Amino acid sequence: DAGITQSPRHKVTETGTPVTLRCHQTENHRYMYWYRQDPGHGLRLIHYSYGVKDTDKGEVSDGYSVSRSKTEDFLLTLESATSSQTSVYFCAISQGTTYNEQFFGPGTRLTVL
Amino acid sequence: QQQVKQSPQSLIVQKGGIPIINCAYENTAFDYFPWYQQFPGKGPALLIAIRPDVSEKKEGRFTISFNKSAKQFSLHIMDSQPGDSATYFCAASIYGGSQGNLIFGKGTKLSVKP
Repeated sequence: DAGITQSPRHKVTETGTPVTLRCHQTENHRYMYWYRQDPGHGLRLIHYSYGVKDTDKGEVSDGYSVSRSKTEDFLLTLESATSSQTSVYFCAISQGTTYNEQFFGPGTRLTVL
Repeated sequence: QQQVKQSPQSLIVQKGGIPIINCAYENTAFDYFPWYQQFPGKGPALLIAIRPDVSEKKEGRFTISFNKSAKQFSLHIMDSQPGDSATYFCAASIYGGSQGNLIFGKGTKLSVKP
C-alpha cells in the first residue's frame, strides 16, 4: 500500500460522537487525499491537502474537517458523526508531479450507529 | 461536465475471455485517464493509465483503448483469469486543475469464472 497506513482500520461509534481518522505516509509525498467509498457511488473526494497546513474541500466535504500539521500525517475529523457517514474511508497520496498518480491506503471501515 | 460514466456495473466472463469495461466523459480538458483495480477489503491500486495523445496502451494482459473524438476510453483484459476478479474503476483528471483531482467512475465488479 505504497507506504501508507490508516488508523483505526475498523471503528464503530454512535451518532453524535466525534471521530478522527488518521492517515500516515512514509513517502514524503506533497499531496494527500481523503475519499469515501459507498456502494453505487464509487470513490468521492472529501478533502485534500497540497502541503502542511494547506487544505481544500472536495466533492462531499460537509460534516468533515481535516488537518495536516506534518507532511506525513493527514487527519480526517467527523465533528458529530451521523449514520450517513457510515462508509469506508480511504486515504491517498500523490507526488503531484506531471500526472496525478494517486496511491491508496488500506482503508478504514467506519460504522455509525 | 465533471462526470465520468462507467459501464457495465457488473460483468461475468469465463476464464480466458476478454472483459471490456467502458468509460465516457464530457470535459475535454481531461488529460489523464487511469484505471484502478480493487480487491475486497483492500484499497484501490493503480493498474494502468493513458494520456490522450495515444490511442492505445498495453501493460501485460491489460490494454486501454482511447477514443478522443468520442470522449470514451475502455479497459480490455486479455486471457482473463479468476485472479482478475475485482472491482475496476476508471478515472480522469486535468493536470494542474485543483491539484489534479481525480474524478472516478462508479466501478465495475468483474467476476471471472474458472
